[in-house]
Amino acid sequence: DAKTTQPTSMDCAEGRAANLPCNHSTISGNEYVYWYRQIHSQGPQYIIHGLKNNETNEMASLIITEDRKSSTLILPHATLRDTAVYYCIVRVGSSGGYQKVTFGTGTKLQVIP
Amino acid sequence: EAQVTQNPRYLITVTGKKLTVTCSQNMNHEYMSWYRQDPGLGLRQIYYSMNVEVTDKGDVPEGYKVSRKEKRNFPLILESPSPNQTSLYFCASSFRLAGEIYEQYFGPGTRLTVT
Repeated sequence: DAKTTQPTSMDCAEGRAANLPCNHSTISGNEYVYWYRQIHSQGPQYIIHGLKNNETNEMASLIITEDRKSSTLILPHATLRDTAVYYCIVRVGSSGGYQKVTFGTGTKLQVIP
Repeated sequence: EAQVTQNPRYLITVTGKKLTVTCSQNMNHEYMSWYRQDPGLGLRQIYYSMNVEVTDKGDVPEGYKVSRKEKRNFPLILESPSPNQTSLYFCASSFRLAGEIYEQYFGPGTRLTVT
């Protein structure tokens, strides 16, 4: 799986959009970008994933650049409950199945009142 | 309610005393995995299992064993725990979506201290 690079920490004002970047310059054509978050020491929670196209769900939007070497997770109206560590990972989706996963250290997002 | 459960949630033990952390999921997921989390190191995968009787090593398998005799259960075994295995442990499971894409569901975590 490709390696990802994320900023260690970010701040965002409550009510504003939080834009979390992720660099995955070695991503392959069949690797998906996944985002998870971990609030305090709870189990990580799935947010969103994508391959090429931008994706949106009830939690967030995922913008993937055309060359797929980077992506941005957007929380449109950050709340204090969005304070968490956000992990960007890439992995291969294949009919052969699911292989090992590397989470890295993520971005600590602090939402400020 | 769909969930991944782990037991115990907290455990303090001594070096060398064998222990097992249980993990169970009620979603009929084929894939299950164990991670450990340490300050500054993020989440690191210990072992994973594609299905019953199919397991493989993750990034940090040393000192751990797993078994997958039933689809719903994936216990983590520490035969001879050492202080460097003091950590927060998470179990996860996942299923297949359209296009063979997997999203993982995580358990609440087990905080293990080895003295």
